[in-house]
Amino acid sequence: DTGVSQNPRHKITKRGQNVTFRCDPISEHNRLYWYRQTLGQGPEFLTYFQNEAQLEKSRLLSDRFSAERPKGSFSTLEIQRTEQGDSAMYLCASSSGSAGNYGYTFGSGTRLTVV
Amino acid sequence: QKEVEQDPGPLSVPEGAIVSLNCTYSNSAFQYFMWYRQYSRKGPELLMYTYSSGNKEDGRFTAQVDKSSKYISLFIRDSQPSDSATYLCAMSINQAGTALIFGKGTTLSVSS
Repeated sequence: DTGVSQNPRHKITKRGQNVTFRCDPISEHNRLYWYRQTLGQGPEFLTYFQNEAQLEKSRLLSDRFSAERPKGSFSTLEIQRTEQGDSAMYLCASSSGSAGNYGYTFGSGTRLTVV
Repeated sequence: QKEVEQDPGPLSVPEGAIVSLNCTYSNSAFQYFMWYRQYSRKGPELLMYTYSSGNKEDGRFTAQVDKSSKYISLFIRDSQPSDSATYLCAMSINQAGTALIFGKGTTLSVSS
């Protein structure tokens, strides 16, 4: 296992289009998180899954955003009707139940550019 | 006022210097404090993890937490060009299954 994998690495889309990102966490990790990072800012929490259950969502996650983790393994983050303000790096992280935040491993992110 | 404040820098130092990075926070419920390092076009990588107040040392890195002042620090001794990166402080209320609140990050450049 080589860590948290995110695809695609880069995505350029036109305003109004839908986009979907994928995250494959470390296989034994049951917790999965999505964050968004804009230029010059720290990551901002979007949502959190424990196994397949989505347990927490930030107010940043508008109704245009939806995340799933159907079998408690990989996760997808979809943005509908993209806006220029959605341009950011979308980071996925995973951790195991026993390690808590100490074992929080981030992927390299998907950079979204909305034109 | 943001929950976590961090001076974005940039900070430039010569190789071998001692670097001090700091964050302040407003939420007294934070109990878990972390420092992450982020290289360009990469995800953040955990450097240090501290629970409550006190010091923790790991090689050239020392993390300090002062909960009474709501102030945390990361010291880097004998800085190297490979330390050039953005350093992010992060904190949380609970140990697991909770959002991390990040500072903006401080960009550090170490010249040889």
